[in-house]
Amino acid sequence: QQPVQSPQAVILREGEDAVINCSSSKALYSVHWYRQKHGEAPIFLMILLKGGEQKGHDKISASFNEKKQQSSLYLTASQLSYSGTYFCGTRASYGGSQGNLIFGKGTKLSVKP
Amino acid sequence: DGGITQSPKYLFRKEGQNVTLSCEQNLNHDAMYWYRQDPGQGLRLIYYSQIVNDFQKGDIAEGYSVSREKKESFPLTVTSAQKNPTAFYLCASSKVAGRRETQYFGPGTRLLVL
Repeated sequence: QQPVQSPQAVILREGEDAVINCSSSKALYSVHWYRQKHGEAPIFLMILLKGGEQKGHDKISASFNEKKQQSSLYLTASQLSYSGTYFCGTRASYGGSQGNLIFGKGTKLSVKP
Repeated sequence: DGGITQSPKYLFRKEGQNVTLSCEQNLNHDAMYWYRQDPGQGLRLIYYSQIVNDFQKGDIAEGYSVSREKKESFPLTVTSAQKNPTAFYLCASSKVAGRRETQYFGPGTRLLVL
């Protein structure tokens, strides 16, 4: 039931791109992306709803493939400030209702100068 | 400034002791949540509440208790029945707003066992 994130960790040089994937075995209602710095609160990045939408926020964007129950987070031209652990949270669809938000184990992103 | 506050930042528990973690929000959010975070495990839901005087168990409620007497407050008690309480505890809140309901997190409390 917990979504699976890949890769578990990635190391980048400043300016490089990265993709983080989130897959679920359940039919999804929405996907939420967060970034967390060590010892701090997770910060909300974006939410994607079923319907296959794609969203963007500065140089961070995401897509949601409803048919495959997958979401991908794209980080382009990475900056040092992008370092942290990225979590996806998924909300499953049960007929006309939705389940609780369930989080993946996270992807640790390290951006080096 | 609107936000979620958690206290204390660090908490130490002795064997057999109950301890209470505070969570307050002034965002006028309806729903509040407690998560536990262990290294490499992501966030796991302990309890949640969508309205005052009502709350539901999450995935790992055993050894924990909550109350929701006021809309802005959702304290979590870690009881002596919780045998492995060392973790980072995060409180979150959300406005129940249909499809775009988004949870916002407090700064967390780190609980350590003496």
